[in-house]
Amino acid sequence: GAGVSQSPSNKVTEKGKDVELRCDPISGHTALYWYRQSLGQGLEFLIYFQGNSAPDKSGLPSDRFSAERTGGSVSTLTIQRTQQEDSAVYLCASSEANSYEQYFGPGTRLTVT
Amino acid sequence: AQSVTQPDIHITVSEGASLELRCNYSYGATPYLFWYVQSPGQGLQLLLKYFSGDTLVQGIKGFEAEFKRSQSSFNLRKPSVHWSDAAEYFCAVGASSGTYKYIFGTGTRLKVLA
Repeated sequence: GAGVSQSPSNKVTEKGKDVELRCDPISGHTALYWYRQSLGQGLEFLIYFQGNSAPDKSGLPSDRFSAERTGGSVSTLTIQRTQQEDSAVYLCASSEANSYEQYFGPGTRLTVT
Repeated sequence: AQSVTQPDIHITVSEGASLELRCNYSYGATPYLFWYVQSPGQGLQLLLKYFSGDTLVQGIKGFEAEFKRSQSSFNLRKPSVHWSDAAEYFCAVGASSGTYKYIFGTGTRLKVLA
């Protein structure tokens, strides 16, 4: 079946602009995660959605970052007023409810110039 | 606090040689442990996982890992490396906070010599 998909695969933006990154989880997966992979920082957890529960936003690095999940499926990660340090690969993962086994998408490479 | 350490940033092995990638974790209870592989430009693929039971777990692509509670380790092994195994390998522990998020190690980049 279809895996986790993310779009765009690459995004180049100017400093100060807003960007939106999209994630389509595996059908039927109720949990969705965003991670950031950057040089020198490794893989960092950003945010977690599980069904209709309040998301765990504990990993968001600043208030410029936000995410939403509409209809319990597609998620959008928004970065406002992008900075050069936001350049990274943003990975999305999904899983079944109450499962530790996550399936990752190919990521979106964000470059802020 | 929970943490995962992968002490080797880079490892180079010859094709056909054996491989062991190290992973140490810090966790208060029985951990949920994972190894993922990331090929260039690709997402992460699950190699294997440990939740409970037999401490030697088998994964895909001929990989195995052994959970050693006394050493807080979950090392990944392969008896004979193939050139296609060149990639970055990440060890992760499932966080205990109930969110099922992962705490990742910093990764080990594997280079395979022909």
